[in-house]
Amino acid sequence: DGGITQSPKYLFRKEGQNVTLSCEQNLNHDAMYWYRQDPGQGLRLIYYSQIVNDFQKGDIAEGYSVSREKKESFPLTVTSAQKNPTAFYLCASSGTSGEIYNEQFFGPGTRLTVL
Amino acid sequence: GQQLNQSPQSMFIQEGEDVSMNCTSSSIFNTWLWYKQEPGEGPVLLIALYKAGELTSNGRLTAQFGITRKDSFLNISASIPSDVGIYFCAGRRTGANSKLTFGKGITLSVRP
Repeated sequence: DGGITQSPKYLFRKEGQNVTLSCEQNLNHDAMYWYRQDPGQGLRLIYYSQIVNDFQKGDIAEGYSVSREKKESFPLTVTSAQKNPTAFYLCASSGTSGEIYNEQFFGPGTRLTVL
Repeated sequence: GQQLNQSPQSMFIQEGEDVSMNCTSSSIFNTWLWYKQEPGEGPVLLIALYKAGELTSNGRLTAQFGITRKDSFLNISASIPSDVGIYFCAGRRTGANSKLTFGKGITLSVRP
């Protein structure tokens, strides 16, 4: 089945450590996105990539880094510079042309807790 | 960044009732999307709207793209307990490449 996978589902990190969240899609989508969700908040865009080897900062990129070496994969690293990293992280993908490129499809999310 | 306005933050209804939600903005959008998120899961796309005035249904769900292009509405008819969740609206503005703007969501509770 086509879809987006994120791993792990739950992640615990000690303060001062970097951690990488995985996102893989087999939808053949060109564009991929990372969002952060906090309780009672909407989705805030961290980074996005519309093509392999290219990515742009979203609204809250500070303390995060990404890479896009393959079309299927868009890992997110939460660095120790991120002041408040405990949150639910969502990865999404979409096409980049035609009406349907507006439609982003989400993975199941990773809940990161900093101890 | 700009957010879409959704209110109230929570809604409580009785099973079998209809419920309507709206999403508003001060800017014009050329695409409106409605998502549902269940606890601990990612949002699932319910309905996508592409033309002003468009009315689209998906089972008991009906959504409309407002004529002014600054709002959208979602209606759920004959609610059932599994309708509980957070309903997000999202929109794309002209020239915003593929980025979406999201509302903060409305948490829907359905009493049996």
